[in-house]
Amino acid sequence: AQSVAQPEDQVNVAEGNPLTVKCTYSVSGNPYLFWYVQYPNRGLQFLLKYITGDNLVKGSYGFEAEFNKSQTSFHLKKPSALVSDSALYFCAVRDGDYGQNFVFGPGTRLSVLP
Amino acid sequence: DSGVTQTPKHLITATGQRVTLRCSPRSGDLSVYWYQQSLDQGLQFLIQYYNGEERAKGNILERFSAQQFPDLHSELNLSSLELGDSALYFCASSVPPGRNNEQFFGPGTRLTVL
Repeated sequence: AQSVAQPEDQVNVAEGNPLTVKCTYSVSGNPYLFWYVQYPNRGLQFLLKYITGDNLVKGSYGFEAEFNKSQTSFHLKKPSALVSDSALYFCAVRDGDYGQNFVFGPGTRLSVLP
Repeated sequence: DSGVTQTPKHLITATGQRVTLRCSPRSGDLSVYWYQQSLDQGLQFLIQYYNGEERAKGNILERFSAQQFPDLHSELNLSSLELGDSALYFCASSVPPGRNNEQFFGPGTRLTVL
């Protein structure tokens, strides 16, 4: 079965500093990896995905993620954090016979301090 | 705004009762997915429907059921409710249910069982 780990419950960064939210995965076959963000009292919003190709994936709101097959990681990054980036971030992998659903990590709460 | 709508936003009910959560997918999306988000279990996939037919089941209890109607909206029925069923219930939709495709999430229904 596919699984995702997010080793940090909480990440604190100062505004303007780079941020990294970590994700490692375990899959059988090719990984199909996604990042979602959840703001308070909102649903999940899609940020970016890795399917194949370049290891550096660019997504919404200035976020990017680096796929590393040897380390089975898919870390989310942003060069300069904003206070408005404070939210709950989920890494996810596709699961099921034809990838019909997501398996989500436990989530990492990002706090960007002014 | 993802284009996925869910009603009601909040639902408060008592143990042993039955409730129905409603979801309207994005225009043109044939697949609907239900997820449960709770503090102890995180985000878990419950069930998927595609064009009116059940496609996949995840960690859905026997007390829970769902259906997708000809107009593609979906309902999640929760019966014999227990305190532990208190959670956020999300609906998501996508066009084809392939591994490459992101899912678009609704704002969720917060269920509180007293």
